[in-house]
Amino acid sequence: SAVISQKPSRDICQRGTSLTIQCQVDSQVTMMFWYRQQPGQSLTLIATANQGSEATYESGFVIDKFPISRPNLTFSTLTVSNMSPEDSSIYLCSVGRQETQYFGPGTRLLVL
Amino acid sequence: KQEVTQIPAALSVPEGENLVLNCSFTDSAIYNLQWFRQDPGKGLTSLLLIQSSQREQTSGRLNASLDKSSGRSTLYIAASQPGDSATYLCAVVDDKIIFGKGTRLHILP
Repeated sequence: SAVISQKPSRDICQRGTSLTIQCQVDSQVTMMFWYRQQPGQSLTLIATANQGSEATYESGFVIDKFPISRPNLTFSTLTVSNMSPEDSSIYLCSVGRQETQYFGPGTRLLVL
Repeated sequence: KQEVTQIPAALSVPEGENLVLNCSFTDSAIYNLQWFRQDPGKGLTSLLLIQSSQREQTSGRLNASLDKSSGRSTLYIAASQPGDSATYLCAVVDDKIIFGKGTRLHILP
C-alpha cells in the first residue's frame, strides 16, 4: 500500500489569491497525479508530475493556472492560482503502486 | 474515448440486504479496473483491483466481477451495514485512469 498525506486538509480563500497544496508519499514513486473533484462530480485528472521534468497537463488544464512542483521522489505541490469560485473543489494527489492507485485524503477548497 | 458509467447514481437499502452496484465502460482495452470508496469530504479508499485477465476479486463482504467483452463490472456487497454508506467509484485504467461519477449508497439502520 501507500500512505499519502496532504496539506492543508481544507481552506477558505478569497477570489484572486493562490493556494499551494502539498502532497507527501511514504516512499519513492516515479509519477504523482493531481486530481480535481468538483461538487457532485467524479475525479478529473489535472496533471501528472514526474520528478526532474515538467508536469504533463490534461486537456483543459494549463501550467499558468495549476503550476506543479516535484522536487524529489516523495513530494509534490499543486498551486491553484488566481482563484475564482469555480475552483472550489476537492484536490487529491495520487500514486500508483503495483497497479493499484492510492489517494491522499484530499484538500477541500472553498473560494469566496 | 473511454467513458465510464455507474448505475444507479444513488441507492438506499435497509441494513442486512445484499446489493449490486454497476459500472460500464465503452472501450474494453483496459489494463485493470478498480473500485473505490469515498466518504463525504474525504479521499478515496481502494477496495478491489481486478486485472484485465481476471474475472473477479473478493475481499470480505465485497466481491467485484469484470466482463471485459461486455464492458461491465459489478460490485456486490453482502449483508450491508450502516458503515457501508458512502460513494462507490469505479475507475478503469487504459493509458490513463477514467472514473465514473459514482453511486451514493445509503444503508438504512
